[in-house]
Amino acid sequence: EAQVTQNPRYLITVTGKKLTVTCSQNMNHEYMSWYRQDPGLGLRQIYYSMNVEVTDKGDVPEGYKVSRKEKRNFPLILESPSPNQTSLYFCASREQGAGHEQYFGPGTRLTVT
Amino acid sequence: KNQVEQSPQSLIILEGKNCTLQCNYTVSPFSNLRWYKQDTGRGPVSLTIMTFSENTKSNGRYTATLDADTKQSSLHITASQLSDSASYICVVSYKRAGNMLTFGGGTRLMVKP
Repeated sequence: EAQVTQNPRYLITVTGKKLTVTCSQNMNHEYMSWYRQDPGLGLRQIYYSMNVEVTDKGDVPEGYKVSRKEKRNFPLILESPSPNQTSLYFCASREQGAGHEQYFGPGTRLTVT
Repeated sequence: KNQVEQSPQSLIILEGKNCTLQCNYTVSPFSNLRWYKQDTGRGPVSLTIMTFSENTKSNGRYTATLDADTKQSSLHITASQLSDSASYICVVSYKRAGNMLTFGGGTRLMVKP
């Protein structure tokens, strides 16, 4: 089944403790991206990757890192999480180019205390 | 600044009734417009994608329209069902490296029996 998977689905952590949220897709998509969704603000893009070893900042990249060493994986790294990074995170993937369907993962709910 | 505004923010209708959700955008240069359905706590799922030249696109009981001149789109839901209760997000893609997406804040629809 074609899908985007994220792990963990739920995470509660403390300020400053490094964490990684994994994202994997099995559709051989070149383009992958990370979003955060907060009440009243909608979905905002954090980082995106157009292919292996190619990443770029989205609208709200501060406090996040990403890597794209393999086509299928696009982990999101929070080196020193802070409470303002408490949010619902979505990974997504699609084929390169305009008009292609974008597939979202199931979401990771992160709470930083 | 690229923006996507949706109205209303929330809507309650009775099962079996029709409804129309609105989307206005100022994104430029325009590439395509998408409507997504997002169930609570889950990733968005695509309903339609429309390019500049398309005025109408249907997906079952969902019909999206696009007026590229006035930069407006609507999503019409016919004969609503309880399972239509969700948030509906309008997303406009603009032509830039990676075809960036600008997300609206969504309309939260509740269908009551």
